[in-house]
This record gives sequence, structure tokens and C-alpha cells, in this order.
Amino acid sequence: GNSVTQMEGPVTLSEEAFLTINCTYTATGYPSLFWYVQYPGEGLQLLLKATKADDKGSNKGFEATYRKETTSFHLEKGSVQVSDSAVYFCALSVRRGQNFVFGPGTRLSVLP
Amino acid sequence: KAGVTQTPRYLIKTRGQQVTLSCSPISGHRSVSWYQQTPGQGLQFLFEYFSETQRNKGNFPGRFSGRQFSNSRSEMNVSTLELGDSALYLCASSLPGDQNIQYFGAGTRLSVL
Repeated sequence: GNSVTQMEGPVTLSEEAFLTINCTYTATGYPSLFWYVQYPGEGLQLLLKATKADDKGSNKGFEATYRKETTSFHLEKGSVQVSDSAVYFCALSVRRGQNFVFGPGTRLSVLP
Repeated sequence: KAGVTQTPRYLIKTRGQQVTLSCSPISGHRSVSWYQQTPGQGLQFLFEYFSETQRNKGNFPGRFSGRQFSNSRSEMNVSTLELGDSALYLCASSLPGDQNIQYFGAGTRLSVL
């Protein structure tokens, strides 16, 4: 079946530190990959996506590259801010709009 | 443009009762999906509706059901509530032509006592 594995955290960083959250997946077929972010008391927001191998998704300073050979989609940011504190979910979708599969989420806390 | 609206935001029920949650998608979105979020199980897919038809279903018991109306609004019903049904229930909608991007509401937090 389809599944997503990501580091569960919590991850605690100082402001301006470098962030990496690892995400790997298994999928039947050719998935699209996503990172969603959930701020306290809110629903999930799409952060970035990639739909084919070697695509790089980017938004708000965050980046992730679709690596088919390692079945990975690691999230990175060069310099985190306190406002980046949230839970980050890696997800995949094999068919258009069908059966999104989410990872367990990684809680990030950024300290001033 | 209004986002996905879920009502109510909070609910408290007792075991054995039933509950109905509502979701209004973004205008123009015809696909609505429901998810259950718990600390132990994370985000789990419940079902997806498109044009009033259930198009996909997750691995949940028959106590969990849903429907979609002609205006794309959707409701989710849980009957005979159990303590384990306590969770954040999230609704997401998507455009007909770009169904890979799901837009989420803030959720309904259900507590079963």
C-alpha cells in the first residue's frame, strides 16, 4: 500500500537555524508529493508540491525536491523564524484527488 | 474568496449519541474530502464526495457516513459514538481541474464523553 514516513519530532531550533525534515514514501504508481503546514487551532495549508521526479517545490523560503531514486521529499529552509513554529505534514496522492496519504506530522518549535 | 467553512468548531457528545458535522467548500469546488485527525493515528482519510456521489472511501466502520448536496456542501454523520471517535475532523475541498491541491477548513473538534 501507500505510506509516508517522516521524522516525528518534536524539532526545536533557534531562530535563523537551518531546517531539514525528512520524508520518505512508498507508493504503487507515480505519486504527487506535498508538504502541508498546520498552525495552532487551524486546518492544514498547502506549503508546496511536486508532481514529477526532480521537480522542486518552493514557497515562503521552504524547498523540497522530488527524489524518485531515494523515494524522498525532504523539506528544507535555510533560516527559520519563530513564525514557522507549526506541525508539518508530508503527503502523497497517487491518483488525481484520490486517497491522500499523510505522514504522522513533525512539530517544529523555533525559539527566539 | 471565503475558505472552507466547517461547523460547528467544537462539539461535546456522550457515548451512544450521533453527530452531524457540516462543511461548506470554497465556491466552485466540487470535490469534498473528510479526514479524522487524532494524536495516535494522525490524519486518516474518511471519504471523498464529488457531484453528490461518494467517489472514494477510507477504512472506517459503517457508523461513519456522509453525503453531498447539489451546492457541493457536505455533511458527515457518526452514529453510536464511541470514546475513540474523539478527534479533530477536517474537511477539504478541491477544484475540478486541479484535484491534487486540497484546501482545508479549520476543523470540528469532537469530544465524546
